[in-house]
Amino acid sequence: EVHLVESGGGLVQPGGSLRLSCAASDFTFSNYWMYWVRQAPGTGLVWVSRINTDGRSTSYADSVKGRFTISRDNAKSTLYLQMNSLRAEDTSVYYCARGTYEANNCFDLWGQGTLVTVSS
Amino acid sequence: DIVMTQSPDSLGVSLGERATINCKSSQSVLYSSSNRNYLAWYQQKPGQPPKLLIYWASTRESGVPDRFSGSGSGTDFTLTISSLRAEDVAVYYCQQYYSTPPTFGQGTKLDIK
Repeated sequence: EVHLVESGGGLVQPGGSLRLSCAASDFTFSNYWMYWVRQAPGTGLVWVSRINTDGRSTSYADSVKGRFTISRDNAKSTLYLQMNSLRAEDTSVYYCARGTYEANNCFDLWGQGTLVTVSS
Repeated sequence: DIVMTQSPDSLGVSLGERATINCKSSQSVLYSSSNRNYLAWYQQKPGQPPKLLIYWASTRESGVPDRFSGSGSGTDFTLTISSLRAEDVAVYYCQQYYSTPPTFGQGTKLDIK
């Protein structure tokens, strides 16, 4: 069964760093654009970043630009999010998501999410 | 950025009755060359990730029951659940994928009345 599994979340102090990973299974990872979407506790969904199939094109929400870096390793079927200079407002569940084959920016497969808490 | 606004924020519907959720975008998400609306609907149950229900405004994702339907065009869209079942209790989000950044509505919480 196709699925995505995130890891790497946890508690970090303001100004700290974390690296999230998302392992993909049972589909050809290299054929799909991939995304990170976050959800602060009790709130809605916010797009964070996306990467194209070969990793050469990326895009970021203004709120994370310059602090977060998305990357991928197609040989390992794994997506990453390097998060630096973390702030309290980055506290969220971070989901990785797959773009549909027909339409980029529409998400047909989601991981279970990993919680990032930024607090002193 | 395109702003997505859903109504109502919460909704209580009796089992077997129709549920209707509305979504309005701040600009058209209809791509004229393809005549497709870049609008999706997701369902999120407590403690779970979102699940894609509808894309292209009215195309059901594989495996989604046919009691779920989407309609609308341009800036105004509707998700309809024709006969509510207990397992449909969830928060529903609309999302535009017409332009970057993709943006979501604030969500509509659907409960049993």
